[in-house]
Amino acid sequence: NAGVMQNPRHLVRRRGQEARLRCSPMKGHSHVYWYRQLPEEGLKFMVYLQKENIIDESGMPKERFSAEFPKEGPSILRIQQVVRGDSAAYFCASSPTGINQPQHFGDGTRLSIL
Amino acid sequence: AQKVTQAQTEISVVEKEDVTLDCVYETRDTTYYLFWYKQPPSGELVFLIRRNSFDEQNEISGRYSWNFQKSTSSFNFTITASQVVDSAVYFCALSELGAGGTSYGKLTFGQGTILTVHP
Repeated sequence: NAGVMQNPRHLVRRRGQEARLRCSPMKGHSHVYWYRQLPEEGLKFMVYLQKENIIDESGMPKERFSAEFPKEGPSILRIQQVVRGDSAAYFCASSPTGINQPQHFGDGTRLSIL
Repeated sequence: AQKVTQAQTEISVVEKEDVTLDCVYETRDTTYYLFWYKQPPSGELVFLIRRNSFDEQNEISGRYSWNFQKSTSSFNFTITASQVVDSAVYFCALSELGAGGTSYGKLTFGQGTILTVHP
């Protein structure tokens, strides 16, 4: 049973470009969470999604960031017009239900902005 | 709002020493869950344990043990006879039940403790 799959593992973008981070949850998991880990810091919640619905995006920056989890396909975290401060590790986690089940994390995407 | 504090930023020990990582949390809920995750140098996050707020029994898993003290809002993690492979960043996290009795498991993480075990 494959774990949470994130790709790419590393992503390099120049300032002003768009970054797309993908997350395929574990089989049978319909709840997806995105977290961001800035250098030397802990993980911060960004957004929680169920299939086709954003349930909580209270941790998302107001501009340039968006997330989706379509009926078919992976969850996508999209960052438009990236800036240096977006450099971080972005982790996706999934769980079978939303009710305090252990979240299984992917290996993360390391985003570097030149 | 919920908060998790890991006061120890870095700990350095020699192999075979015991080491305790502290975690203190704040929450207004009576029902909540606490977690520990390990992040080795390779960067992935590994789930170690989940404990709900009604279960104050200590838990032992091999060389790992956890001490949950609701009275002091602490959930400390002890590694006995540490090994070099234990070197990692360890995160404590909290998940509240939320308003209306529903929760979607959003995790609030502490800042992490960097554990280095020297041979």
